[in-house]
Amino acid sequence: AQRVTQPEKLLSVFKGAPVELKCNYSYSGSPELFWYVQYSRQRLQLLLRHISRESIKGFTADLNKGETSFHLKKPFAQEEDSAMYYCALTSGGSYIPTFGRGTSLIVHP
Amino acid sequence: DAMVIQNPRYQVTQFGKPVTLSCSQTLNHNVMYWYQQKSSQAPKLLFHYYDKDFNNEADTPDNFQSRRPNTSFCFLDIRSPGLGDAAMYLCATSRGAGGKTEAFFGQGTRLTVV
Repeated sequence: AQRVTQPEKLLSVFKGAPVELKCNYSYSGSPELFWYVQYSRQRLQLLLRHISRESIKGFTADLNKGETSFHLKKPFAQEEDSAMYYCALTSGGSYIPTFGRGTSLIVHP
Repeated sequence: DAMVIQNPRYQVTQFGKPVTLSCSQTLNHNVMYWYQQKSSQAPKLLFHYYDKDFNNEADTPDNFQSRRPNTSFCFLDIRSPGLGDAAMYLCATSRGAGGKTEAFFGQGTRLTVV
């Protein structure tokens, strides 16, 4: 069975500090990994996916198959980054995403 | 330009009184999902439709049912809500197999059971 683990419920940093939100997964095949974000009072939406290898709002994430991780990073956090972040996985031929429990990021001024 | 719309945003129902949550989409996606999310927990998939094919998760209680009368609409029926069913219910869509697997979410319906 596939599983997504986000070990931190809450991550609190100051503006300008680096941020790393951790995500580990368990799946033996070739997964597709995503980060979704939910800002206050807004819907859950896609932030980035690993196959795109892009930077969105300064965030990047690299899939490390050896460590089965897909950590989300940003070198300098901004207050507007405060949100709930969910790591998600789809696997093999399945189109159904499995979500982690989420990490709440709070960026203090 | 909302693409996945859930109604209502907030729903209060009495213990044991049937309730229906609705979801509509303008994306013409094949797949529609219903997730249940409780505080500090991952969204939990209840069931999904791939076109007209209904797929129930093994651990979804019988108390939860769903209908998809057409491509655009999907309903979640809770036949006899209990206090433990109070949660945020998320509807999502995706293109399904063969396409990008990104999910598009509605804003959710927060269900309170009194």
